[in-house]
Amino acid sequence: GIQVEQSPPDLILQEGANSTLRCNFSDSVNNLQWFHQNPWGQLINLFYIPSGTKQNGRLSATTVATERYSLLYISSSQTTDSGVYFCAVEPGGGFKTIFGAGTRLFVKA
Amino acid sequence: NAGVTQTPKFQVLKTGQSMTLQCAQDMNHEYMSWYRQDPGMGLRLIHYSVGAGITDQGEVPNGYNVSRSTTEDFPLRLLSAAPSQTSVYFCASSGTGGNVLTFGAGSRLTVL
Repeated sequence: GIQVEQSPPDLILQEGANSTLRCNFSDSVNNLQWFHQNPWGQLINLFYIPSGTKQNGRLSATTVATERYSLLYISSSQTTDSGVYFCAVEPGGGFKTIFGAGTRLFVKA
Repeated sequence: NAGVTQTPKFQVLKTGQSMTLQCAQDMNHEYMSWYRQDPGMGLRLIHYSVGAGITDQGEVPNGYNVSRSTTEDFPLRLLSAAPSQTSVYFCASSGTGGNVLTFGAGSRLTVL
């Protein structure tokens, strides 16, 4: 099946710093989503982005489907950005949504 | 509009017991799925459904059963619980045709 790899696995930032999280996938996909899991375990969708670039406040995401990767940018990080960021893909020809292992982010005040 | 509702939030079982995790959504979503999340790991797909009467296996289906008799409900059954099934379980739903996944709050299951 499709492989989804996220990097880095762990990231520690000082408040105000910028960061880039990466998601690589091994096969073509119908769609790609980014999620944030907060310290209380709640999963919130950040972006639905099968291709192209989207921005939402301090967050933006870019997916280059032909090269099988997606990037999540966090600018001017805040302590509330802490948690785990997951990339999830729906492989072409199927309805399953498969998750990567996540990037654990801690933002220090 | 409640979104995706999971019950119970917490459950402790003994090895060999059976139980059902309930999941209900009120968004008329066709697609529903169950994931498990183990410490330090991502979410692994257990079973999913693309509509009433249609279910299929995900990445880790062994030890779990599902059914989808209505659009709204997608229960997950553990027939004979094992300690390896200790985990946090998440239910999710979306419309078909490429839509955002909406998650429930999770159910924490411990099997002793």
